[in-house]
Amino acid sequence: EDQVTQSPEALRLQEGESSSLNCSYTVSGLRGLFWYRQDPGKGPEFLFTLYSAGEEKEKERLKATLTKKESFLHITAPKPEDSATYLCAVQFLSNSGYALNFGKGTSLLVTP
Amino acid sequence: DADVTQTPRNRITKTGKRIMLECSQTKGHDRMYWYRQDPGLGLRLIYYSFDVKDINKGEISDGYSVSRQAQAKFSLSLESAIPNQTALYFCATSRNQAFETQYFGPGTRLLVL
Repeated sequence: EDQVTQSPEALRLQEGESSSLNCSYTVSGLRGLFWYRQDPGKGPEFLFTLYSAGEEKEKERLKATLTKKESFLHITAPKPEDSATYLCAVQFLSNSGYALNFGKGTSLLVTP
Repeated sequence: DADVTQTPRNRITKTGKRIMLECSQTKGHDRMYWYRQDPGLGLRLIYYSFDVKDINKGEISDGYSVSRQAQAKFSLSLESAIPNQTALYFCATSRNQAFETQYFGPGTRLLVL
């Protein structure tokens, strides 16, 4: 069964304490891997798309990387405003065409 | 102004009632999607549409129907609401390829009593 798993479910960091979020996937026929940020009560907001193993994307304190089995979202020197839920989604080719599976998310809290 | 808008933002209804959630977009995208989000279950696809004449069922379409009134409008209906349809509902759009980068609306919080 195709699956996207994010870990940890929740993460609490002190301001400035760098860490990484993980998204592992078992889909075949990967087309793209997406990272989104979701603030409470709001819709997910697009962060990055990664297409092939070895690819990296950066935006401010965030860097996303991709291997053949997983992706990492590295957060360097986080600030309280980085607190949010981070969602991973995998686009892949299924029997009925392209499909998209979301992980359940990692809830990040950054304390001052 | 928001590119993807949803109305209403919050709705309380009773079991058995028919309700409609509306989505409009100004992004000019052909592809539109409806998702629901439940704590611990993540985002799940209800229906999607790749153009005005195209409607497809997603993972959890039972109890729901949709209407694509125009390129910019995609509505979700609950024919006879039940309590386990209490959830956060999101509309999304994408540009070219099916299920590529999704642009989400702000969501509708639905409570079915």
